[in-house]
Amino acid sequence: DVKVTQSSRYLVKRTGEKVFLECVQDMDHENMFWYRQDPGLGLRLIYFSYDVKMKEKGDIPEGYSVSREKKERFSLILESASTNQTSMYLCASSLGTGGENIQYFGAGTRLSVL
Amino acid sequence: AQSVTQLGSHVSVSEGALVLLRCNYSSSVPPYLFWYVQYPNQGLQLLLKYTTGATLVKGINGFEAEFKKSETSFHLTKPSAHMSDAAEYFCAVSYLTTGGFKTIFGAGTRLFVKA
Repeated sequence: DVKVTQSSRYLVKRTGEKVFLECVQDMDHENMFWYRQDPGLGLRLIYFSYDVKMKEKGDIPEGYSVSREKKERFSLILESASTNQTSMYLCASSLGTGGENIQYFGAGTRLSVL
Repeated sequence: AQSVTQLGSHVSVSEGALVLLRCNYSSSVPPYLFWYVQYPNQGLQLLLKYTTGATLVKGINGFEAEFKKSETSFHLTKPSAHMSDAAEYFCAVSYLTTGGFKTIFGAGTRLFVKA
């Protein structure tokens, strides 16, 4: 089974802090994604990566950056956390780039910014 | 722009009753269609997907969905609800853009199952 592991289930940070969310997948998948999930809005794509050191902006990249130094690890960085970034963050991975590819999700990190 | 609409943010059914969760999409190109389920405190997992071929797709846990191109719909059904089906369900569409495939998710429908 594919396993996508997010390092923290819950995080509480203060406004202005730099925040790192870590994600690791164990199935040698090419693609990795970061989403935020908010009630009534579904999942919105922040960034994705289709290869090591490659990244592409999603629909809502403002205020975020990412890092993919190794194939299995994809980090989401909030350079200066703000209260409007309080949300559930989901990491996902998929094997290929075709439209039929399934995304495998981690359990999520619930971030509160105070 | 492509979009996915799930009708009803909350659906409540009695145990043993039919489950029907609605999904409509807009896409100018043939899409790939998915239903994912999210149980409490977990990430999303795939229920079923439509790529090509038979329009009635069977998934896990007794769920199935039918792709109706003329109605641009991909509704999810289960003949008899079980308490363990209580979860949030997301419809997703993957379609080809100039930059490769893109997947968009609906807003989700939370299913409640009453005893």
